[in-house]
Amino acid sequence: QKEVEQDPGPLSVPEGAIVSLNCTYSNSAFQYFMWYRQYSRKGPELLMYTYSSGNKEDGRFTAQVDKSSKYISLFIRDSQPSDSATYLCAMSLSNAGGTSYGKLTFGQGTILTVHP
Amino acid sequence: KAGVTQTPRYLIKTRGQQVTLSCSPISGHRSVSWYQQTPGQGLQFLFEYFSETQRNKGNFPGRFSGRQFSNSRSEMNVSTLELGDSALYLCASRAAASSYNEQFFGPGTRLTVL
Repeated sequence: QKEVEQDPGPLSVPEGAIVSLNCTYSNSAFQYFMWYRQYSRKGPELLMYTYSSGNKEDGRFTAQVDKSSKYISLFIRDSQPSDSATYLCAMSLSNAGGTSYGKLTFGQGTILTVHP
Repeated sequence: KAGVTQTPRYLIKTRGQQVTLSCSPISGHRSVSWYQQTPGQGLQFLFEYFSETQRNKGNFPGRFSGRQFSNSRSEMNVSTLELGDSALYLCASRAAASSYNEQFFGPGTRLTVL
């Protein structure tokens, strides 16, 4: 079993829809939780990160972390065709001082298509 | 500020050959990590270098190796290539100077092994 599981989709939604992307994980030691977006023929780019449990909002994007359930989500409101990409969840450990480690463990990625 | 650059962008090799990929991090970044991305396994961590020292290593065979130079540029080498090594190899750099350090990814090197 992989440490991080992500529904690979693909997911196809109409423009303006609310999109929900989810990951589960097995390693309770993960402290940093990230969402990356990857366009075709590009490297991943960071959308958001959260430390430990809680919610974080940035414009149309909201990230949620529930450490008790080992479950993280990314919500995209008012989705746009430009949001069409692969979305990857990623997690990392941290040291006792809270500094993140360089090793990221990724989910499989969810391919999202937003059609006009 | 220039982003992470990787060279070459595309590479075709045959089984048994070896290959060297190069990564130039963002100026001022001291940490470089390498990842392999395949349709079947997704993105998998290979190793991380910080100040010319390997800090962490993923679960890959010894054919995969890397190094980092004093200017933080990094190279990874794959010896005795196998068909299964065909993948997108991504390099990421980070400052490693505060509690959370975003990893910035390069565009990757697409390696095809025939």
